[in-house]
Amino acid sequence: QKEVEQNSGPLSVPEGAIASLNCTYSDRGSQSFFWYRQYSGKSPELIMSIYSNGDKEDGRFTAQLNKASQYVSLLIRDSQPSDSATYLCAGASGGSYIPTFGRGTSLIVHP
Amino acid sequence: EAQVTQNPRYLITVTGKKLTVTCSQNMNHEYMSWYRQDPGLGLRQIYYSMNVEVTDKGDVPEGYKVSRKEKRNFPLILESPSPNQTSLYFCASSFTRHGEAKNIQYFGAGTRLSVL
Repeated sequence: QKEVEQNSGPLSVPEGAIASLNCTYSDRGSQSFFWYRQYSGKSPELIMSIYSNGDKEDGRFTAQLNKASQYVSLLIRDSQPSDSATYLCAGASGGSYIPTFGRGTSLIVHP
Repeated sequence: EAQVTQNPRYLITVTGKKLTVTCSQNMNHEYMSWYRQDPGLGLRQIYYSMNVEVTDKGDVPEGYKVSRKEKRNFPLILESPSPNQTSLYFCASSFTRHGEAKNIQYFGAGTRLSVL
């Protein structure tokens, strides 16, 4: 059973701080990893994808992948109240086109 | 505009009354899938399809049917809905091309279903 684990939170950070969201996965064959943001009652939207070990930066977001430790993280710099949402981590193996999703971490950015 | 369209967005029905939730994508994606989302349980895959006439069960297929007669459409059928199928449903589609775009799920807006 392929599993992607996330702490459900909520993770509460003050406005302007760095929010750090973490995710572990069980399938060593996983090669593609994704972070989606989901506002309450809305559909998930892709924030970051990462395929290689190391860091990938896009604006205020940085995804980090460590395949040896089976660990993926998302850093949000200069957090804003509009970043308050649930963040879903997902992973997919090389032979699969349908990723496995974690249950999500709730992030609250307070002014 | 590239999109995945689900209909209806909201649906209230009664136990046992057959219903269909439609899903259509205009991106020529081979892969399509259905998820349900429940509080505390995250996104769970119901069924997926790798191409026309090719479908397979996901993690929670009981009580659901799907069909893929055309590449763009992937309807979800509840033959005899029950209250435990009350949930938020999402359709998604994705590429099969190699490269970094592979596996990225494009989601529809969701269908909130209540079965009384």
